[in-house]
Amino acid sequence: AQKVTQAQTEISVVEKEDVTLDCVYETRDTTYYLFWYKQPPSGELVFLIRRNSFDEQNEISGRYSWNFQKSTSSFNFTITASQVVDSAVYFCALSVRETTDSWGKLQFGAGTQVVVTP
Amino acid sequence: ETGVTQTPRHLVMGMTNKKSLKCEQHLGHNAMYWYKQSAKKPLELMFVYSLEERVENNSVPSRFSPECPNSSHLFLHLHTLQPEDSALYLCASSSWTAPNYGYTFGSGTRLTVV
Repeated sequence: AQKVTQAQTEISVVEKEDVTLDCVYETRDTTYYLFWYKQPPSGELVFLIRRNSFDEQNEISGRYSWNFQKSTSSFNFTITASQVVDSAVYFCALSVRETTDSWGKLQFGAGTQVVVTP
Repeated sequence: ETGVTQTPRHLVMGMTNKKSLKCEQHLGHNAMYWYKQSAKKPLELMFVYSLEERVENNSVPSRFSPECPNSSHLFLHLHTLQPEDSALYLCASSSWTAPNYGYTFGSGTRLTVV
């Protein structure tokens, strides 16, 4: 069975501080994808990044960066120099390869609420 | 229109009412999903449709009835709901053969049952 754990329920920071969101996943499959989604107060889940299990390169996109470490089954997300607009719930998710031709549904973590105050 | 569109955005209904939530996607996806998101609870997958056939129903009470008339539209029919059904209902779509490319979500319908 697959599982995604986001142990941090809520993180509060002051604007311009960095914030790191933890994501730990469990799967016995060797082929899988990991995702991060952002849910602002408006409700829509916005796709941020997708990473496959064979690509452990860290990625940076503007103020966002992701650290994927298979050795610790973690896919952590850092927001550098946070801004008030970063206030949202952030979800980590996992999709595993079930057969040669099919993938399992996205398994979501419980989410981490980020609150950025001016 | 692109993306996933959900209507209405907000809905208040009494426990004896019947209403429907609508979801529409124009992304060429062939799988659609209903999620329930209650306050301070994880996302709960309710229903999954692939190629217009229901492939999963996660023990959802019968007062929720999904309908998928074609690959672009998904409905959630509601009747005799309870106050605990108040939540944000999210629709998502994906390629059935490649959900590893991720889901595209709508903005949700915020439902309040009074």
